[in-house]
Amino acid sequence: DAGITQSPRYKITETGRQVTLMCHQTWSHSYMFWYRQDLGHGLRLIYYSAAADITDKGEVPDGYVVSRSKTENFPLTLESATRSQTSVYFCASKDVSNQPQHFGDGTRLSIL
Amino acid sequence: QQQVKQSPQSLIVQKGGIPIINCAYENTAFDYFPWYQQFPGKGPALLIAIRPDVSEKKEGRFTISFNKSAKQFSLHIMDSQPGDSATYFCAARMNYGGSQGNLIFGKGTKLSVKP
Repeated sequence: DAGITQSPRYKITETGRQVTLMCHQTWSHSYMFWYRQDLGHGLRLIYYSAAADITDKGEVPDGYVVSRSKTENFPLTLESATRSQTSVYFCASKDVSNQPQHFGDGTRLSIL
Repeated sequence: QQQVKQSPQSLIVQKGGIPIINCAYENTAFDYFPWYQQFPGKGPALLIAIRPDVSEKKEGRFTISFNKSAKQFSLHIMDSQPGDSATYFCAARMNYGGSQGNLIFGKGTKLSVKP
């Protein structure tokens, strides 16, 4: 089915480990986004990408790395996970700038 | 200036009631105001949206009221149903600089509609 999929849906890891969250969309949308959702903070933008090989920081980029070698994929890497990065992570995509964003179902990440 | 303030944090209504969720913003560069609905275990989904040149928009039981001079907008749910129980996020879209098209989200309102 067309859409946006995130994997894994659940992940538990330890502090200091590297972890990569995957996001794949089948619409060939230009824009892709990573958000984190925490109680009391709503959705906060981590990184976004306007096209393949073009990425930029959002509101809370520290501790995260992204890449976008292909239009359909936008992985998010925590190079050395910390407990404060325990959160639910959402990927989103959209076509051109004035179109709505479509969200995946999220990855729940717990860092022990 | 880039914040979107949303209230209340949580809301409980009886079936058939009209819950109202309010949002306020400061930045006049915002040009599009969507509302997203999120069910547990799912990602947010676009519910309804409005542009600042319109004072009201209705889609089914959902209505956005927009007050440009007060920099406020609100979501009303008519004849609310238990199936409307979800978290609702307002958002505002930036339309300037390199962040064109990015959304700033409110902190969310958890709505519970009792049968």
